[in-house]
Amino acid sequence: DAGVTQSPTHLIKTRGQQVTLRCSPKSGHDTVSWYQQALGQGPQFIFQYYEEEERQRGNFPDRFSGHQFPNYSSELNVNALLLGDSALYLCASSFYRYEQYFGPGTRLTVT
Amino acid sequence: AQTVTQSQPEMSVQEAETVTLSCTYDTSESDYYLFWYKQPPSRQMILVIRQEAYKQQNATENRFSVNFQKAAKSFSLKISDSQLGDAAMYFCAYRSLEGGADGLTFGKGTHLIIQP
Repeated sequence: DAGVTQSPTHLIKTRGQQVTLRCSPKSGHDTVSWYQQALGQGPQFIFQYYEEEERQRGNFPDRFSGHQFPNYSSELNVNALLLGDSALYLCASSFYRYEQYFGPGTRLTVT
Repeated sequence: AQTVTQSQPEMSVQEAETVTLSCTYDTSESDYYLFWYKQPPSRQMILVIRQEAYKQQNATENRFSVNFQKAAKSFSLKISDSQLGDAAMYFCAYRSLEGGADGLTFGKGTHLIIQP
């Protein structure tokens, strides 16, 4: 049984560009949450998707947007990248409101 | 809004000894979950233990146990018989059970070092 997978593992972007990160949830899970983890910090909640809709959003600007597909996989999009967007982006999946299982993350570097 | 505070940036313990990691939180809610997650250098966040606020009994998972003091808003993690594989960042996290809020609120973490 595959766990939560994320792609890509690493990527480097230039300030002002746009990026898309992808997440496939654990089998049987229907809810996906995204977190941003800056170096040396704990993860911060970005938003959560359930039934293809954004159910909850943390304190992040509109440059951060997402999508959930009918197969429950999800994308995180960040527009107009800033240097401060450099971080580890974690995806977590759950069945409805039960326990969240995390993926290995995508390391984004903005130069 | 809820906040989670981990006041120990780093802790060190001898292999086979016991260590306690501290966590305090601030909330006005009465119903919630608390978690301890482990993040090894591989970066994948792994759930260590969970505590439901309505349960008075402290959660235990093998060598890991918590001391949950609801009135004091304290939630510490005790690791017994420490092993080299326990070395990692440990994060305390809060999850509301009120409304539709499922996003986890994390502390800044404690770096646990195991001395052989």
